[in-house]
This record gives sequence, C-alpha cells and structure tokens, in this order.
Amino acid sequence: AQSVTQPDIHITVSEGASLELRCNYSYGATPYLFWYVQSPGQGLQLLLKYFSGDTLVQGIKGFEAEFKRSQSSFNLRKPSVHWSDAAEYFCAVGAEGGSEKLVFGKGTKLTVNP
Amino acid sequence: DAGVIQSPRHEVTEMGQEVTLRCKPISGHNSLFWYRQTMMRGLELLIYFNNNVPIDDSGMPEDRFSAKMPNASFSTLKIQPSEPRDSAVYFCASSKGLATDTQYFGPGTRLTVL
Repeated sequence: AQSVTQPDIHITVSEGASLELRCNYSYGATPYLFWYVQSPGQGLQLLLKYFSGDTLVQGIKGFEAEFKRSQSSFNLRKPSVHWSDAAEYFCAVGAEGGSEKLVFGKGTKLTVNP
Repeated sequence: DAGVIQSPRHEVTEMGQEVTLRCKPISGHNSLFWYRQTMMRGLELLIYFNNNVPIDDSGMPEDRFSAKMPNASFSTLKIQPSEPRDSAVYFCASSKGLATDTQYFGPGTRLTVL
C-alpha cells in the first residue's frame, strides 16, 4: 500500500523568501502525486499533480514541484512567498488507473511572517 | 458554478445520538469521497463512490458509520450512535472521473460529540 511522509509539521518563512516543502512517498509502481492546499476553515484545493512526463510540474499560484524517482520525493517549491500563502499543505499519492484511493500526508502548516 | 455543498456546517450533539451529514457533489461528477480530518490522524478517506457505487469503504471505522449515495446528486454519512471520538471535520469531495482526477472539496462539517 502507498504511504506519504511530510517530515515538517510546521514551517515559518518571511514574506518574499523562497519555500520548499518536503514530501516522500512509498509506492511500488509509478505513483500519481499531488499537492493540495487548505486555507483556514476551508476544504482542500489542488495546487498541482504529476502523472508522467516532465518531472518538473507547474501549478497554480506560482507553485512548482519536482518528482525525483531516485529519492522517492515530490517536493513543493515557490521562489517568493506571499502572506496569502499561509495555509496547510498536503502531499498525496495515488495509484495508476485511479481506482484506488489517494493517501494523504499529515500536512505541513506554513506561517508567513511580514 | 456551485461547488460541493455540505450541510450542516457545524453540528454539536450528545454521545449516543444519531448524526447525519449531507453532501451535494458538483453536477456531472462521477466520484464522491467522504474524508475525516483530525489533529491526531490527519486526513483519512472513509469511503469512495463511483457512479453511486461504493468502490472502497475500507476506511469506515466500524459499523456505527454508514454512507449512502442514492443518486448522483446526493450522499449522506450517518453515525449511529455517535461517540466523543467521532469529533472531527468531515469533508465531502467530488471528481469527474476517479480518485486521481482533481478532487473538489466542500467546506466541511465540524462535528462535536459531547
């Protein structure tokens, strides 16, 4: 069964600084990988996803993520963080075909200092 | 277009009472997901329907929980009898295709069982 680890529970960055959120997955075959964001009091929203092809994926709100098979990682990055990026970020892994459920990590809470 | 609609948004009940959570997915979406989010366990999938048929209910905690999807535009999650450990935020999400298609989350129902 697949699993996801987000090593950082909470990260604080200054506005304008760069950001990298870590995600490691465990899955025997080619994974489908996702990053979702949850703003306070709201449901989750998809930022980006990787199925195949180019390992650098662009998403909404200026985010990108890079799939590294050798490291079983799918880290999320943003070159310059805005105060509105403060939220909780979830990495998820799914199986090819989509008939199996997504498995979500525990999330990383991002705080942005002015 | 309306997103995923959940009701009620907040529910406070006493231990032993029956609780029913409701969800209206986005029109045209074929899959519906019920998730539970707690601080301790993170985001867990409870059940996954495709074309109104349960595909994966392995996350349903026990017999106290039941979910139905009588038609493409409505689903319920019922807890009977409720217990304090059921206190959580329950999210409904829907997608056009399967689990690896973009999932659109509702705002959630915050359940408190006293």
